[in-house]
Parts: sequence; structure tokens; C-alpha cells
Amino acid sequence: SAVISQKPSRDICQRGTSLTIQCQVDSQVTMMFWYRQQPGQSLTLIATANQGSEATYESGFVIDKFPISRPNLTFSTLTVSNMSPEDSSIYLCSVESLKAVVSYNEQFFGPGTRLTVL
Amino acid sequence: QQQVKQSPQSLIVQKGGISIINCAYENTAFDYFPWYQQFPGKGPALLIAIRPDVSEKKEGRFTISFNKSAKQFSLHIMDSQPGDSATYFCAASRITGGGNKLTFGTGTQLKVEL
Repeated sequence: SAVISQKPSRDICQRGTSLTIQCQVDSQVTMMFWYRQQPGQSLTLIATANQGSEATYESGFVIDKFPISRPNLTFSTLTVSNMSPEDSSIYLCSVESLKAVVSYNEQFFGPGTRLTVL
Repeated sequence: QQQVKQSPQSLIVQKGGISIINCAYENTAFDYFPWYQQFPGKGPALLIAIRPDVSEKKEGRFTISFNKSAKQFSLHIMDSQPGDSATYFCAASRITGGGNKLTFGTGTQLKVEL
């Protein structure tokens, strides 16, 4: 499986500011995703980070609020813009690994970034 | 709309017992069903996964049972250990060229007591 790191691991931010979260993978991957996990809740997909093109956002998430970059096959960033306390969550990146034998697109998650907005 | 329903919300099992977590899905287009294990402060870790062409998959103490007609699947943890205490998420997706977009269940907090 791929080794995935995220920076920062946690942060406390003021309302109205923005935070950029970095996701680094130790090998080239085709697909990268960003998820949100609110406290004690399940994971919700925010968007698919596409290399060299604009991210694909899920319903309820917009680019102005969550701009995403993916400049190459091992790195992506998610920015949480104009933050409010409702944005307090764990943000996780994940990558997809293709197992050619059985065509499983196994997905592996980073450790997450715990964001608290005051 | 909750596309993957998971139960129970929490579960307490004695050491050596069997832990059973159930999930049900609605979208018949789903064709990949993984289970993830998450410890506090960590990201989810892929535990085991199944495709709908088989009814059961076993890896060590972990078994997925899959019932396509009922649109249900379950995780069985045999000989449960205190180290298995974690939150477990089932998920489902339809694998396409656009990637494996996972829809997660609500999670089950498992506690294995001595």
C-alpha cells in the first residue's frame, strides 16, 4: 500500500481565515480524493483531485469553498476557505491503488488533518 | 439520502467472542464493498473487501458475508481481541474510469472487553 502523509496534522484557526492542507504520497497514483469526517461521524467525499485539471466536486461542495490543486501524481492540496466553526472536522486525503489482477481499485487513507475553527 | 445503512452503532463483545456488523445498501450498481478499521486519531485502514461475484471472503479472523439479493453484507470478527477495539466502517462504490468513489456507512464503535 502507498504511504500517505498529510500536513498539518492538526490546526486551530480563526473564523474567516483559510487553511491549506497538503497530501503527499510516496509513489505515483492515478486517483486522489479528499474526504471530510465531522466529529464522531462518517466520511463524506468532498471531491476527486484530478491531475492537470480542475477537481470534480460532489454535491454540496463547491470550488470557491474548497479549492483543490493537484500539480503532479504524488501531491495534492485542499484549501478550506473563509472558515466557520461548522468547518471543524477531520480532513482526509485518500489514494487509489489499482490491483491489476482482480481489478480492485483499493483506496488508502492518509492520517487526516484535524481542524478546529474558533 | 443514506445509501449505506450500518448497524449497530456500537457493540461490546467479550474477548474471544464473535463481533458482527451489518450493512445494507440501496444502489444495485455498487460493485465493490470494503470494510475499514479506524483507531482514534488515525485515518481509516482498509481491512477487507469483496466484489458481488462471491458470497464470502475470509482473511484471517475477518470474514465478509455478502447477500446480493438482499443487498446486505456483514463483517464477522472471529476470536475478537481487545486490540480490535476501534470504529469500523462499511463502504460501497461503483468502480468507474472516474475512480472508486466510496459511500460510507455511519460506523460501528466496537469495544472488546477482557
